[in-house]
Amino acid sequence: QVQLVESGGGVVQPGRSLRLSCAASGFTFSNSAMHWVRQAPGKGLEWVAVVSYHGSNEYADSVKGRFTISRDNSENTLYLQMNSLRADDTAVYYCARQSSFPIKYYFDFWGQGTLVTVSS
Amino acid sequence: QSALTQPASVSGSPGQSITISCTGTSSDVGGYNYVSWYQQHPGKAPKLMIYDVTNRPSGVSNRFSGSKSGTTASLTISGLQAEDEADYYCSSYTRISTYVFGTGTKVTVL
Repeated sequence: QVQLVESGGGVVQPGRSLRLSCAASGFTFSNSAMHWVRQAPGKGLEWVAVVSYHGSNEYADSVKGRFTISRDNSENTLYLQMNSLRADDTAVYYCARQSSFPIKYYFDFWGQGTLVTVSS
Repeated sequence: QSALTQPASVSGSPGQSITISCTGTSSDVGGYNYVSWYQQHPGKAPKLMIYDVTNRPSGVSNRFSGSKSGTTASLTISGLQAEDEADYYCSSYTRISTYVFGTGTKVTVL
């Protein structure tokens, strides 16, 4: 069955960096676009970034220039490099799958999330 | 990339029907039939309930249905049950190849 397992969250000081990982299994990772979606405590979902099956990416304005999404198809792993972290980046970060073959425009599987807390 | 607009809360009694609206613009909801809906219980990951405006994934109850008119999409839950109490989010693909979520709606079963 499809599994997405996020890791790498924790407490980090403002201005520092953190890298999140999402280990995928149970499907052909290289055929899927992958997303990061975050949810601040008590708030709604916010789309963060996408990396296509071939490596192109898009970002939300709120993280553009600070976050970098990438993937390693040989390791079936998705990453999110987060630099210059701010207090308002505090959230649970979810990875989510979007099928590319055939192309779909929704997130059909989600991980359980990893909490990032930005605080001094 | 402004969030899509949803009512903060909707409530209904068991067995009733409720509808949640999701209003966007011509650059997202109104421009594509790529609206999806997600259910989220407290402390859990979101779950896909509706995709491409009207389609239900396998395993999702047929009590859930979706529609769209212009720049507003809607999710209807018929025969409301206690287990439907959750937060619901719409999402849309956008003209700049990104995605946007709605502000979220808390559904309460009275």
